[in-house]
Amino acid sequence: GDSVTQTEGQVTVSESKSLIINCTYSATSIAYPNLFWYVRYPGEGLQLLLKVITAGQKGSSRGFEATYNKETTSFHLQKASVQESDSAVYYCALSFDTNAYKVIFGKGTHLHVLP
Amino acid sequence: EAAVTQSPRNKVAVTGGKVTLSCNQTNNHNNMYWYRQDTGHGLRLIHYSYGAGSTEKGDIPDGYKASRPSQENFSLILELATPSQTSVYFCASRGGDPDYTFGSGTRLLVI
Repeated sequence: GDSVTQTEGQVTVSESKSLIINCTYSATSIAYPNLFWYVRYPGEGLQLLLKVITAGQKGSSRGFEATYNKETTSFHLQKASVQESDSAVYYCALSFDTNAYKVIFGKGTHLHVLP
Repeated sequence: EAAVTQSPRNKVAVTGGKVTLSCNQTNNHNNMYWYRQDTGHGLRLIHYSYGAGSTEKGDIPDGYKASRPSQENFSLILELATPSQTSVYFCASRGGDPDYTFGSGTRLLVI
């Protein structure tokens, strides 16, 4: 079936260092999925960080970037220089336009940024 | 500003009791969803709705009911709460775009 894999449950990075959070997906549909990164800050609900609905395109927001790579079925999240305020849980997710409800989330990666 | 509001924010319930989690959205979105989020799991879909009067089973509906009396409101009902239902519950809405708007979550503890 369809799935999203985030291999790291927790990542710790020092402030101003670079970050990569890995995400790969598996999709049984012949259609390409929409890909998302959501973020959950402490005490808040999930917010959309960025989305890409076209294979090969890059999305960016708040200094974060992710490129939709259909060859490697990956959608890794990157940031060149993290800040302490980036500490949160990041969820990779996918959906298909053909199915109104079928959004599949990864297990989430908890980012700790050390001051 | 369009929003999804959940109540209560925190709830302690006794085993066997009835629990109702409420969700209100001002986005005028047709689609609404209830998820639970547990450590080591991604968000798992419990129930969803295409509009007022409709409810559909998600991936883990057992032990839960849902009610969508209006466009704005979508409730999740635990008729006989069990400790295994201790979790954080998120409501979300979705309109024409593929992305969701989430509420802040309800933390439920069943003792």
